[in-house]
Amino acid sequence: SQQGEEDPQALSIQEGENATMNCSYKTSINNLQWYRQNSGRGLVHLILIRSNEREKHSGRLRVTLDTSKKSSSLLITASRAADTASYFCADPQGGYNKLIFGAGTRLAVHP
Amino acid sequence: DTGVSQDPRHKITKRGQNVTFRCDPISEHNRLYWYRQTLGQGPEFLTYFQNEAQLEKSRLLSDRFSAERPKGSFSTLEIQRTEQGDSAMYLCASSLGPTGDTDTQYFGPGTRLTVL
Repeated sequence: SQQGEEDPQALSIQEGENATMNCSYKTSINNLQWYRQNSGRGLVHLILIRSNEREKHSGRLRVTLDTSKKSSSLLITASRAADTASYFCADPQGGYNKLIFGAGTRLAVHP
Repeated sequence: DTGVSQDPRHKITKRGQNVTFRCDPISEHNRLYWYRQTLGQGPEFLTYFQNEAQLEKSRLLSDRFSAERPKGSFSTLEIQRTEQGDSAMYLCASSLGPTGDTDTQYFGPGTRLTVL
């Protein structure tokens, strides 16, 4: 079962613009992780935000977390064509930290 | 390349055939996960190994599916009597286990299965 929903399902922007993707989740979390998946490929871990953090940065990525609303957002600034991919939020659940993913946001960045 | 590897990358089979996939995790990682991803969806957890012990299985893992990790290193996922609904990308991930309060999983490129 999916943990939550990403919004929007698809996003199309021009190079240089910013892209914002949102993720809502259902249960309490220890941390929330964002992954990127290029077309038909494996997932790459981008960034992790802990439940006691509100904002985190990594290069052109900025993640926020609002535990009261059970939501997170991923902002990619100054997007590039190479950022074209699907982006997923996931939270580790259970004693073995299995990841529960949302359905993802498909981002297309046009040159 | 010292990342997670999976073999084969693509598999086309006829309904009713058996298939086996292999995953080689990062060498020092004792945790290994299998996920399944269908088109347009996020990955769904299938099963988890800690060393050679299979400690958790999803309800998605029907009795036609079996996974092993015999020596705590590589893992295999076998699907018997494949059905068209088994068509998906099968992803393997490994991790070192919790360091502090995080446990980053590293994913392989996946095996794309098509059942005709």
